[in-house]
Amino acid sequence: KAGVTQTPRYLIKTRGQQVTLSCSPISGHRSVSWYQQTPGQGLQFLFEYFSETQRNKGNFPGRFSGRQFSNSRSEMNVSTLELGDSALYLCASSLTPGQTTEAFFGQGTRLTVV
Amino acid sequence: QQPVQSPQAVILREGEDAVINCSSSKALYSVHWYRQKHGEAPVFLMILLKGGEQKGHDKISASFNEKKQQSSLYLTASQLSYSGTYFCGTEASIAGGTSYGKLTFGQGTILTVHP
Repeated sequence: KAGVTQTPRYLIKTRGQQVTLSCSPISGHRSVSWYQQTPGQGLQFLFEYFSETQRNKGNFPGRFSGRQFSNSRSEMNVSTLELGDSALYLCASSLTPGQTTEAFFGQGTRLTVV
Repeated sequence: QQPVQSPQAVILREGEDAVINCSSSKALYSVHWYRQKHGEAPVFLMILLKGGEQKGHDKISASFNEKKQQSSLYLTASQLSYSGTYFCGTEASIAGGTSYGKLTFGQGTILTVHP
């Protein structure tokens, strides 16, 4: 079966702009989590969605937001981009909410803010 | 708060063993281990739930000491394919023995296996 699909794979944006990233989970998976990965900070949890509801949120400013659609696809949005937002953004899908089941990661979207 | 992984990096020759540790300051509900190769997505290795269990498959195993809030990943007779960055993810326990379901990852341990 198809894996987790993230689009686009690469993005270059200018400071102050906004960006939307997309994640299509594995068919049948209803839980989607987002992470920011940077060399210095490792994998930082952004948020988790299940059935179109945000279940958990990490310690990121309000410029970072997300949503989930009825088909479980998820988007995350970053407004007023800053240079420090440059990172690899990963999404992971799992069958159920909570973290007692295996999560499958997508290849990520590499965002560069210039 | 992020769990702390040690060591930050380890270099091995094929056939050698390694241990990667993961410590948390919080009571834990579960510990997850993932491996990420350069330029690829993290790949699931195993989950350990509270209860002090030990798991393993092939030559990679892990233990979870609930009382010490620690987990260790054991790689025996390492192979070239084991090279990558290993992440532990922890899920904190809350009252009632359940969890929030939020996974917090450590900063990773870079493992390099040479021929």
